[in-house]
Amino acid sequence: DAKTTQPNSMESNEEEPVHLPCNHSTISGTDYIHWYRQLPSQGPEYVIHGLTSNVNNRMASLAIAEDRKSSTLILHRATLRDAAVYYCILSDPYSGAGSYQLTFGKGTKLSVIP
Amino acid sequence: NAGVTQTPKFRVLKTGQSMTLLCAQDMNHEYMYWYRQDPGMGLRLIHYSVGEGTTAKGEVPDGYNVSRLKKQNFLLGLESAAPSQTSVYFCASNAGGSSFYNEQFFGPGTRLTVL
Repeated sequence: DAKTTQPNSMESNEEEPVHLPCNHSTISGTDYIHWYRQLPSQGPEYVIHGLTSNVNNRMASLAIAEDRKSSTLILHRATLRDAAVYYCILSDPYSGAGSYQLTFGKGTKLSVIP
Repeated sequence: NAGVTQTPKFRVLKTGQSMTLLCAQDMNHEYMYWYRQDPGMGLRLIHYSVGEGTTAKGEVPDGYNVSRLKKQNFLLGLESAAPSQTSVYFCASNAGGSSFYNEQFFGPGTRLTVL
């Protein structure tokens, strides 16, 4: 699986936008970019995913670089509830593994300051 | 819907003891997964199943066995627990099948300590 690189930690003020970067310079043409987050003492939860185009949903936006070697998760207005570890994950549905597998790195720990 | 549930939430074992962790999902999902998460680390895949009666090894399968006798349940067994298996265990499921993209739904975790 292609690897991702994320900062270990980031801070944001409450109610301000947050841009969480992810580098994936060895991404293949069929790799999807996924973001999950893990709130303290909970299991991970899905945030957003994309392939080539930017994506928006009720939780966040995903901006994908034109060469796909990096992406940014955007939280438009951080709340205290957004304090979590955010994981950027690549997964290729054509890998033939017979399942949709996720490989988690250490992620970025986001702290939100009131 | 309860989503993905895990039993028990906490457990302390002595080295050499055995136990089974139960994962249940009520979303009629085909695929189920067991992960472990060590302190300060991301999740690592132990075993997974793509349907009732099937199982496959993940990244760190040694010391664990699994069974998927019913579609809604996925059991993770430790035959002879070791301190290195102290971890938080997460179960997950997704729809699989004909859906091209399947987000994974995770359970709340089981915190296991092996003394």
